[in-house]
Amino acid sequence: NAGVTQTPKFQVLKTGQSMTLQCAQDMNHEYMSWYRQDPGMGLRLIHYSVGAGITDQGEVPNGYNVSRSTTEDFPLRLLSAAPSQTSVYFCASSWTSGSLSGANVLTFGAGSRLTVL
Amino acid sequence: AQSVSQHNHHVILSEAASLELGCNYSYGGTVNLFWYVQYPGQHLQLLLKYFSGDPLVKGIKGFEAEFIKSKFSFNLRKPSVQWSDTAEYFCALESGGGADGLTFGKGTHLIIQP
Repeated sequence: NAGVTQTPKFQVLKTGQSMTLQCAQDMNHEYMSWYRQDPGMGLRLIHYSVGAGITDQGEVPNGYNVSRSTTEDFPLRLLSAAPSQTSVYFCASSWTSGSLSGANVLTFGAGSRLTVL
Repeated sequence: AQSVSQHNHHVILSEAASLELGCNYSYGGTVNLFWYVQYPGQHLQLLLKYFSGDPLVKGIKGFEAEFIKSKFSFNLRKPSVQWSDTAEYFCALESGGGADGLTFGKGTHLIIQP
């Protein structure tokens, strides 16, 4: 099983450029999410999706777009990159979210390190 | 809004020392609680989780955590640490019934000196 696959692993952008971070999972998970990790800040939720065709904003959504056209894929788009978006981005998925099922343990991808100059 | 607070941002211990990392949360309802670990250069992995039942939960590699509802705490413990436990540890909360994702603490960077 590949689990959660993120590409690229590393990327350098100039301010104003756009790009897409790819995330794919092969576990048939309904729930997918994007976090950014910054030193001293922990992980902060950017966007999440509870199923194909459904997305919602997390704690820090500004400057990012997502879509969920299939169960497997959840790309994160940076519309116009800014230095403040320099970070490590993690995609994560689980069977579901919410407390009732107990099946919402996240599986994380390996991360994408983005530098915006 | 829910929040998670980890008391220690950096902890340095010697091998064989006992470990306790503090985690407190703020949320008035039912919660699921997690500890994730990130070893150097690797992605986050689940260490242990609490959904319901016995408040003392055991995880991988000899770690355990105790959920104390009255104190809104979920501290992580290990009786004797090893050099390989050097990592960053994150406490996380999921509020009951919600689809808002996990709220993470800011992390504790643990360094074990041989």
